[in-house]
Amino acid sequence: DIVMTQSPDSLAVSLGERATISCKSSQSVLYNSNNKNQLAWYQQKPGQPPKLLIYWASTRESGVPERFSGSGSGTDFTLTISSLQAEDVAVYCCQQYYSFPFTFGPGTRVEIK
Amino acid sequence: EVQLVESGGGLIQPGGSLRLPCAASGFTFSGYSMTWVRQAPGKGLEWVSTISGGTANTYYADSVKGRFTISRDNSKNTLYLQMDSLRAEDTAIYYCAKGRMPSAYTGSDSWGQGTLVTVSS
Repeated sequence: DIVMTQSPDSLAVSLGERATISCKSSQSVLYNSNNKNQLAWYQQKPGQPPKLLIYWASTRESGVPERFSGSGSGTDFTLTISSLQAEDVAVYCCQQYYSFPFTFGPGTRVEIK
Repeated sequence: EVQLVESGGGLIQPGGSLRLPCAASGFTFSGYSMTWVRQAPGKGLEWVSTISGGTANTYYADSVKGRFTISRDNSKNTLYLQMDSLRAEDTAIYYCAKGRMPSAYTGSDSWGQGTLVTVSS
């Protein structure tokens, strides 16, 4: 199984400042046939279901604000919130969909400093 | 607008069975893969099972293989999760989620609100 790890477990960022979350996979999730990384980022607010933010590691889902961006390839990925807003307080987790069983990272809690 | 509505959750004794339906609307249901993901109280997300669109190939987490069965009725736009031999560790909110593509190898772009399953005597 592909193990997903995230760091940090939590971070507190001032409003308007940058938040950066790291996600690592135990093996590459780059699909050679289409040269796309099979990795998604989700946001989950308390009492709500997850919301897809990013897929293929760097493609923003429709309707997601531009301050959210994804980068990385192979085994190392990053989610960046360029200017943190109050409504961004949530848990963020990555997921690989390269091979079954699909696996999620443990999540990173983002709070306002 | 895509809507996914899970139901069927509740309190069930260990060893019991439950079937969770997920009613889908707002998209061509048969054309997309569908997935169940669960979240134990205060814990992270755990992928449970996926069924592809079209060929309806199925995939399961080891923790539920042989006990859970995913299926879909495209005529009713409904996804199901049949859960047998339930254990205390199956206690969780169960979310139904729509894949971005017919292929099973995709992220989930729409999620239901979830249904709580509690396995306890």
